[in-house]
Order: sequence, then structure tokens, then C-alpha cells
Amino acid sequence: DAMVIQNPRYQVTQFGKPVTLSCSQTLNHNVMYWYQQKSSQAPKLLFHYYDKDFNNEADTPDNFQSRRPNTSFCFLDIRSPGLGDAAMYLCATSRAEDTQYFGPGTRLTVL
Amino acid sequence: AQSVAQPEDQVNVAEGNPLTVKCTYSVSGNPYLFWYVQYPNRGLQFLLKYITGDNLVKGSYGFEAEFNKSQTSFHLKKPSALVSDSALYFCAVRDPHGGATNKLIFGTGTLLAVQP
Repeated sequence: DAMVIQNPRYQVTQFGKPVTLSCSQTLNHNVMYWYQQKSSQAPKLLFHYYDKDFNNEADTPDNFQSRRPNTSFCFLDIRSPGLGDAAMYLCATSRAEDTQYFGPGTRLTVL
Repeated sequence: AQSVAQPEDQVNVAEGNPLTVKCTYSVSGNPYLFWYVQYPNRGLQFLLKYITGDNLVKGSYGFEAEFNKSQTSFHLKKPSALVSDSALYFCAVRDPHGGATNKLIFGTGTLLAVQP
């Protein structure tokens, strides 16, 4: 089945230790999004890629970076995780203006 | 400013009773409206959307939503609730300034609790 996959589902890292979260999709969608979601709040958009074009949200901290090496994969890099970065990270994809489809999420714990 | 409001943090309903989860929006132009459901420790799951056409939209798992332009509302409904419907529900509207993407503006979410 076509889907959005996120690995790992659970990630534990230490304060200040870089971490990378992975997202892949078999939907062949041209837009990929990364969200941060804290404790049952609404997801907060960090950035998105439209094809290879990177679009950062104005209030996304510099600590968060992203890479999209090809259509199928997108990575979220947190350069120096702080305790406040502990959250669920959601990846989503869409075909341009069409419906967004979400992956299962990666829950990040920062010790 | 574009926004989505979900006025109820939590909705409680008995199994078998009809349920309504409320959503109102404020957006320029014609709205593209969405409902998503989120189960614990899972991603958001698409339920249904309104783009244009019939005001009553049917979606997954027996859910439907009614678009009301005059009241700027898009309430989610189901005729008979199941315990398994208990989850967090998000209403969202496409950001009209989001360019050629489907950037979404989310409501704050409504926790639906269905009692057996």
C-alpha cells in the first residue's frame, strides 16, 4: 500500500547530541512537510519541501534543519536537541494543493 | 487573519448516540476544509474534506461533515458513536497564502470520549 513511513517510531537522544529523523513515502507526492507536535496540541509546521525547494517557517529555530535527497525521502536534523525539543515529529506529504497524508510519527525523548 | 476554532476541548457522548464535533473558520476566499483524527501515539489520519460541491461531505468510518458558508462552520458528525471513535480530532483549513501547496491551519483539537 502507498504510504508515509517514519523511522524510528521512538528516538531517545541526549541533550545536545545531534539526531536525525527519517521520512519516506511511496505516494510520489511532490510536497513533504515536517511538523512538531507537543502533548495533544495542534501540529506546528516547521518547514516543507516543494520538490527540491525548501520553505522554512519564520519561527522555526535554526536548530532544526532538513534535507530531501530525492522525491521519496526527507530528513529532519536537530543539531543540538534541548529538553524543549522533546515532542512527536510528524511527516506529511501532498500532491501540490491536494490532501496531506501523515506518517505515524516519531516520538523524540531528550535526556 | 486566517484561523480555525474548535470551541470544545472535549466532547463526551454515550456509545450509540449521535456525535458532533464543532469547527468554525475564518479565511479569505473559498475555504478548503479538512478533518483529521489522531489516536494516541499515532500520526494524523485523514477523514474527509470539503473543496466544492455538495455541502454534506461523507468520509471514512461513517463520519460526515456539513459545510455551512453563512455560519462559516464545518462540524463533524456521526449518527451513532462507537467506543473506538474515542480520539483527538483536528479541523483544518488550507492556508490561502500557502502558495501551490496544501499548507494547513489547524484548530486546537477536540478530544472525543465515547462511553460504553
